[in-house]
Amino acid sequence: EVQLVESGGGLVQPGGSLRLSCAASEFTFTAYWMTWVRQAPGKGLEWVANIKQDGSEKYYVDSVKGRFSISRDNANNSLYLQMNSLRAEDTAVYYCARAVGRIAFFDYWGQGALVSVSS
Amino acid sequence: IVMTQSPATLSVSPGERATLSCRASQGVSSNLAWYQQKPGQAPRLLIYGASTRDTGVPARFSGRGSGTEFTLTISSLQSEDFAVYYCQQYNNWPPEFTFGGGTKVEIK
Repeated sequence: EVQLVESGGGLVQPGGSLRLSCAASEFTFTAYWMTWVRQAPGKGLEWVANIKQDGSEKYYVDSVKGRFSISRDNANNSLYLQMNSLRAEDTAVYYCARAVGRIAFFDYWGQGALVSVSS
Repeated sequence: IVMTQSPATLSVSPGERATLSCRASQGVSSNLAWYQQKPGQAPRLLIYGASTRDTGVPARFSGRGSGTEFTLTISSLQSEDFAVYYCQQYNNWPPEFTFGGGTKVEIK
């Protein structure tokens, strides 16, 4: 069965940085676009970023452009989200998800990693 | 594209029918997905292409619509169906995947 396991969440001060990882298994990682979706406490879902199979295309929601960077390591079936200049409003559970197609819905999700931005 | 779900909360008795609505601020063709999320869990894909059930999703879940108006119907609510449901459009490129605010289906 497809598995996506996030790690790297935690508490960070405003202006700080954090790197999330997502380990993928039981599917051909190189065949799929991958994405990050976040959910602030008690709120709805927000798409954050996605990345093409070979990493050559990356897209971001406007609120994180210039601060967050999505990447992947196909040799190790891993997805990453580098988050810099973190703000309180970035506090959320971050989910790694597999995208179906280029213009995508998301068919498998990880369990999420909590990122808290607070002084 | 803004996705608006209604109602915000739906109170339904087990065995009853539930109809959830999702409206897009502009046409998204049939590029609409529905997800179910239970407390403390990740979302689960239910429907894509507005009306196609994902593998393993019970037949009591059905989706309809195209363009700007969509519905998710749960024909006979089971205890495990009480959850929050989100719609998501995936019509634009470059991507601007947007979710609705969710409908919470609670026990009446």
